Amino acid sequence: EVQLLESGGGLVQPGGSLRLSCAASGFTFSSYAMSWVRQAPGKGLEWVSAISGSGGSTYYADSVKGRFTISRDNSKNTLYLQMNSLRAEDTAVYYCAKGRTSLYSSGWYAFDYWGQGTLVTVSS
Amino acid sequence: QSVLTQPPSASGTPGQRVTISCSGSSSNIGSNTVNWYQQLPGTAPKLLIYSNNQRPSGVPDRFSGSKSGTSASLAISGLQSEDEADYYCAAWDDSLNGHVVFGGGTKLTVL
Repeated sequence: EVQLLESGGGLVQPGGSLRLSCAASGFTFSSYAMSWVRQAPGKGLEWVSAISGSGGSTYYADSVKGRFTISRDNSKNTLYLQMNSLRAEDTAVYYCAKGRTSLYSSGWYAFDYWGQGTLVTVSS
Repeated sequence: QSVLTQPPSASGTPGQRVTISCSGSSSNIGSNTVNWYQQLPGTAPKLLIYSNNQRPSGVPDRFSGSKSGTSASLAISGLQSEDEADYYCAAWDDSLNGHVVFGGGTKLTVL
């Protein structure tokens, strides 16, 4: 059974940093693209970032480029999101999501499994 | 303002067929496949349709997807009370080095 378990959320001041983790199990982690998707309170879904199975390719939304860094440790089956220079508008539930295929296959961005999410609140 | 445009709300009575539209452009829907997600209240999203019209294992065949040009649609037939949820379309966008774009979401109410 595929499981994705996020952790690391919490309250942080504007300008601060936070690192989110997503522990994966139930599938060959290194074979799949992984993404972070966020949802601000009462709002819709916003894609944040994606990474290839090897970690060699990454994509970012313009809203986080230069501030957030996605990475993965395939030996630990864990996905990360390092968030720096946090702003109030980064307040959201952050979901870890598994791509259906490798980043280099068409349609990889169909996210077939999601974690339960972790809440990040940026406030003074 | 979302890159993909969905109606904010839709409604139907049990047993009815409802459709939800998703409008994009040549850089996203026009050149890439569309996925649909269902988000029940208080839960994580669930993949409902991928590659325009494919259903993951376990998704009832009451749900179907289609795409034409720069628009896509999700159809739900035999509407049930448990279908009341938010529905999102998504696609890859080739602009700006590439990124995933979501629609703003459609709140479906079963009357």
